[in-house]
Amino acid sequence: RKEVEQDPGPFNVPEGATVAFNCTYSNSASQSFFWYRQDCRKEPKLLMSVYSSGNEDGRFTAQLNRASQYISLLIRDSKLSDSATYLCVVNKAQGAQKLVFGQGTRLTINP
Amino acid sequence: EAGVTQFPSHSVIEKGQTVTLRCDPISGHDNLYWYRRVMGKEIKFLLHFVKESKQDESGMPNNRFLAERTGGTYSTLKVQPAELEDSGVYFCASSPFGTPDNSPLHFGNGTRLTVT
Repeated sequence: RKEVEQDPGPFNVPEGATVAFNCTYSNSASQSFFWYRQDCRKEPKLLMSVYSSGNEDGRFTAQLNRASQYISLLIRDSKLSDSATYLCVVNKAQGAQKLVFGQGTRLTINP
Repeated sequence: EAGVTQFPSHSVIEKGQTVTLRCDPISGHDNLYWYRRVMGKEIKFLLHFVKESKQDESGMPNNRFLAERTGGTYSTLKVQPAELEDSGVYFCASSPFGTPDNSPLHFGNGTRLTVT
């Protein structure tokens, strides 16, 4: 079983739609949580950190449920520029940034 | 401030050859990480340097891979001899000493390695 599981997609949605991604992680000792986005042939870039209380950044909302070991990302009013692969990422280490990546969910926003 | 830089951006070599990848971290960053993504798999941790010392090399796949960080500045990752399954994208990231665990990593733009 993978440490971080994501639906690989692909998700194809029309512009303006709301998209939801889910992710589960297996290590209950995991300390911190992130969503990264990766464009084709580029490096992964931080989209947002995920906090237990939930957090929002513009059209993006992230949620964490530690009891269920579940992380989510919601994108509202999707734009063409949101097309990318979204990576669920967990840090299971203390004293280091030893990140564990999900395989990513590929999203394409259609005009 | 310059970001993490990696060289080369692409490398194509034949099976059995040697390749050396280089990472220049952000100036002053003591932590340096190597990650890689092989075809069809998720990005995986390879190792972590603190200055010139290997803090954690649990992700290194086998002894064909050798990472160094002499002087605690730039790092090299040498693959010798390269095998077909080493093809993928190798990413480097750095962070200052004492960075909290809940801080994200910012990656260089990677080296795409193709072994034929």
